[in-house]
Amino acid sequence: AAGVIQSPRHLIKEKRETATLKCYPIPRHDTVYWYQQGPGQDPQFLISFYEKMQSDKGSIPDRFSAQQFSDYHSELNMSSLELGDSALYFCASSSRDNTYEQYFGPGTRLTVT
Amino acid sequence: AQKVTQAQTEISVVEKEDVTLDCVYETRDTTYYLFWYKQPPSGELVFLIRRNSFDEQNEISGRYSWNFQKSTSSFNFTITASQVVDSAVYFCALSVLTAGGSYIPTFGRGTSLIVHP
Repeated sequence: AAGVIQSPRHLIKEKRETATLKCYPIPRHDTVYWYQQGPGQDPQFLISFYEKMQSDKGSIPDRFSAQQFSDYHSELNMSSLELGDSALYFCASSSRDNTYEQYFGPGTRLTVT
Repeated sequence: AQKVTQAQTEISVVEKEDVTLDCVYETRDTTYYLFWYKQPPSGELVFLIRRNSFDEQNEISGRYSWNFQKSTSSFNFTITASQVVDSAVYFCALSVLTAGGSYIPTFGRGTSLIVHP
């Protein structure tokens, strides 16, 4: 069965650079979620989208922005990267009717040097 | 606000021992979902189980079993006859309905399980 696809899987950036992470949800899933997991920490919810509209907002820094496109894929844009942004970024997807049933992607490991 | 407490930061056992990972949650919502995830060193989050607040039946899946007790707000996870491949960080999570209409999980801090051969 198709799963959530995230690209790239690994990304190395320098401080003050920008990064874009991409997420392709499971077919027929219309809702996407972004989570950030710092080293040794639990995943923290950043933001979610349904039908290209922001649905919920968590602890997403102002330097980050995200959007969902008409094909339901989503991109997380991070600017002015800081060392503390080094983390595993997960995308998850679900159908709107079953948001309790989120499927997580494999994650993108971002390292900021 | 929701809260999930996994008091055990790290557990170390020898292969074939049974081990229980504790999870205590707090919420005022009457409808909620509880989850356990496994995160091996490779980093992906592996879904293990989901339970809704109206289903207190315990569940067994192979060597894994879960005990859900609303009276004590606990959702504990037991691995029977542990194996080295069970070594991972295990997260308990709680989802309630948000203002935006989604169930967003709040995770516990995780319990690192180390199984020695």
